[in-house]
Amino acid sequence: AQSVTQLDSQVPVFEEAPVELRCNYSSSVSVYLFWYVQYPNQGLQLLLKYLSGSTLVESINGFEAEFNKSQTSFHLRKPSVHISDTAEYFCAVSEIGGSQGNLIFGKGTKLSVKP
Amino acid sequence: DAGITQSPRHKVTETGTPVTLRCHQTENHRYMYWYRQDPGHGLRLIHYSYGVKDTDKGEVSDGYSVSRSKTEDFLLTLESATSSQTSVYFCAISTNAGGQETQYFGPGTRLLVL
Repeated sequence: AQSVTQLDSQVPVFEEAPVELRCNYSSSVSVYLFWYVQYPNQGLQLLLKYLSGSTLVESINGFEAEFNKSQTSFHLRKPSVHISDTAEYFCAVSEIGGSQGNLIFGKGTKLSVKP
Repeated sequence: DAGITQSPRHKVTETGTPVTLRCHQTENHRYMYWYRQDPGHGLRLIHYSYGVKDTDKGEVSDGYSVSRSKTEDFLLTLESATSSQTSVYFCAISTNAGGQETQYFGPGTRLLVL
C-alpha cells in the first residue's frame, strides 16, 4: 500500500533564508505527486504537481519540487522565503491507474517564517 | 477555487444528534470526495463519489454515510455524532483530465461535537 512520510512536522526559518520541506513516499507502482498549501483557517490549495515529463516542477510563487524516483522523494524547496509563506504544507501521492479514491496525504509540515 | 462551496462553515452539535454537511460544486465534475483533517493525521478520506448514486468508502468511513442524488451536491451525514468526530471536514472534486487526478478543495466545515 502506498504511504507518504513528511519527515519534519515543523520547520522554523528566518525570512529570506532557503527552505526544504522533505517528502518521501512508498508505492509499488508509478505515481503522481502533489504539494498542497494550507494557510491558517483556510482550505488546501494546490501548490504544484508532478504528473509526467520534467522531474523539476515549479509554482508561480517561487517554490519548486523535484521528483527523484530512485530515492522515492519529492522535496519542496524555496531559495528565499517570505513571511507570507508561513503555512502548513502537505505532500500527497496517487498511484497511476489506481482507483479514484487513492490520493494519500502526508501528515503535514508547518513552515514558520520569522522576521 | 473550482467552484466548491461547503455548508455550514461552522457547526456545534451535541453527542447523539444527526448532522449533515453539504458540498456543492458548479462545474459538473464527476468525482467528489469527503476528507477529515485532524492534528497529526493530515487528511484522511471518508467517502468518495464517482457519479450520481455511485459512492465508495475511504479510509475512515465508520460512523459516516454519504449521498449523491445530483451531480452538483455531495452530502456527508453523521447519523449519531460522537466527540471523536469533532474535526474539520473538507470536500474536494477531481478534475481528472485525461485520467490524471488533481483534486481541488472547498473551504472546509469546522464541526464541534460536545
